Amino acid sequence: DVKVTQSSRYLVKRTGEKVFLECVQDMDHENMFWYRQDPGLGLRLIYFSYDVKMKEKGDIPEGYSVSREKKERFSLILESASTNQTSMYLCASEQGRQETQYFGPGTRLLVL
Amino acid sequence: QKEVEQDPGPLSVPEGAIVSLNCTYSNSAFQYFMWYRQYSRKGPELLMYTYSSGNKEDGRFTAQVDKSSKYISLFIRDSQPSDSATYLCAMSGRFNTDKLIFGTGTRLQVFP
Repeated sequence: DVKVTQSSRYLVKRTGEKVFLECVQDMDHENMFWYRQDPGLGLRLIYFSYDVKMKEKGDIPEGYSVSREKKERFSLILESASTNQTSMYLCASEQGRQETQYFGPGTRLLVL
Repeated sequence: QKEVEQDPGPLSVPEGAIVSLNCTYSNSAFQYFMWYRQYSRKGPELLMYTYSSGNKEDGRFTAQVDKSSKYISLFIRDSQPSDSATYLCAMSGRFNTDKLIFGTGTRLQVFP
């Protein structure tokens, strides 16, 4: 059974803080993704990675960076959190393109 | 115009009803079509996966793809209160560089 875990379910941070969101998958998947989900906007792709140390910008990368030092771990970094980054953050992984994406439980981030 | 359009609902039906959830899309290159179910405060989980046109059935769920009309549907027979969730359609093209594009989700409520 594929498992994608995220480091926190809920997080409250102050404007300007550096925020780390971590995602770990246990199925040796090649590809990993970070999305944010907002009401009325659906899932929007922030960054993705098809290999260790590789990263690609998604549709809304501004204000975010990522790190993939190990195959199973994909971190999302908010360099200086802002209130408009308050959102639900979802990590996903897949073995290959056009295959099922498996999602983590999400992290609800509130930036005050 | 969004690439994928989905009515946000909410859709409220009595237990036992047949539910029809739909998405339209504009990109004729889409080949892979998925339906995800997302319970409140959880990550999406894959419900149905179809390739190209046609129908696919899994228990009470039937996914239908009509590529000529650029229209996909998910039918739920004998709906249960446990089906209450948000349903997201998702689709992608056949190339490895194609991203998965999500609808905004339809919220379904099945009342006893």
